[in-house]
Amino acid sequence: QKEVEQNSGPLSVPEGAIASLNCTYSDRVSQSFFWYRQYSGKSPELIMSIYSNGDKEDGRFTAQLNKASQYVSLLIRDSQPSDSATYLCAVIASTGANSKLTFGKGITLSVRP
Amino acid sequence: GAVVSQHPSRVICKSGTSVKIECRSLDFQATTMFWYRQFPKKSLMLMATSNEGSKATYEQGVEKDKFLINHASLTLSTLTVTSAHPEDSSFYICSARGWGLANTGELFFGEGSRLTVL
Repeated sequence: QKEVEQNSGPLSVPEGAIASLNCTYSDRVSQSFFWYRQYSGKSPELIMSIYSNGDKEDGRFTAQLNKASQYVSLLIRDSQPSDSATYLCAVIASTGANSKLTFGKGITLSVRP
Repeated sequence: GAVVSQHPSRVICKSGTSVKIECRSLDFQATTMFWYRQFPKKSLMLMATSNEGSKATYEQGVEKDKFLINHASLTLSTLTVTSAHPEDSSFYICSARGWGLANTGELFFGEGSRLTVL
C-alpha cells in the first residue's frame, strides 16, 4: 500500500511567520512530488512541484525534498492570512499518461492576523 | 497553468435519479482524465482513470456500473452517478493531464462539483 503521510496539524502561525509543512511517503521509487493548496469548498490548486533532492524556491514558497529520508516539506515565508487553507502533499511513483497521484490527508494551516 | 472546467459546480437531486458531471480541458488536449471524490475533511480519493476512446479503469471498491465514465474526446470526460443515494453526496473533482506533461505527472484540477442527494 503506497502511503503519503501528513501527520502534523492543524497548524496555526502568526502573520509574517514561517509555516513549515511536512510529508513522508512510503514508496521508495516515487519520482515526482507536489504540494497543492485547497481552500474550503474549492478544488486543489498546484503551488509547487519538485523532482530532485534539495530545495526549490518560488516566491514565498520553498519545497524541500530528501529522497533518502522519503521526506518532502513546504516552507511558507512571511505567512499571510490568505495562506490559510489545507495543503495536500501528493506523490507519483512513475511517469506516463496514466500514472496516479497519491494524496496525503492534508494539513490545515491557519495564519492569525 | 492549463485550464480544466467542470460543470455543474453544484447539483441537488432526489434519491434514485442520475446526475451527469462534465469535465473539459479548455486549452489543451488531455491524454488522461482522473475522477476523484472527496468527503468532508477527508483527502481526495481516486475513483477512476479514463483515456479518450477507452473504458475507464476503476479503483478498487468503486462500482463501475454506478459511476459511469465516458471519455469521448481529448477534451471531454463525463461522470454519471446513476441511481444516486444520499451516501453518494460528496465533492467530485476531475483532473486532467496533457500531452507533454506525462513525464512530470502534473495534474490540473477542475473546480469540482458538489453533489447533494436528498
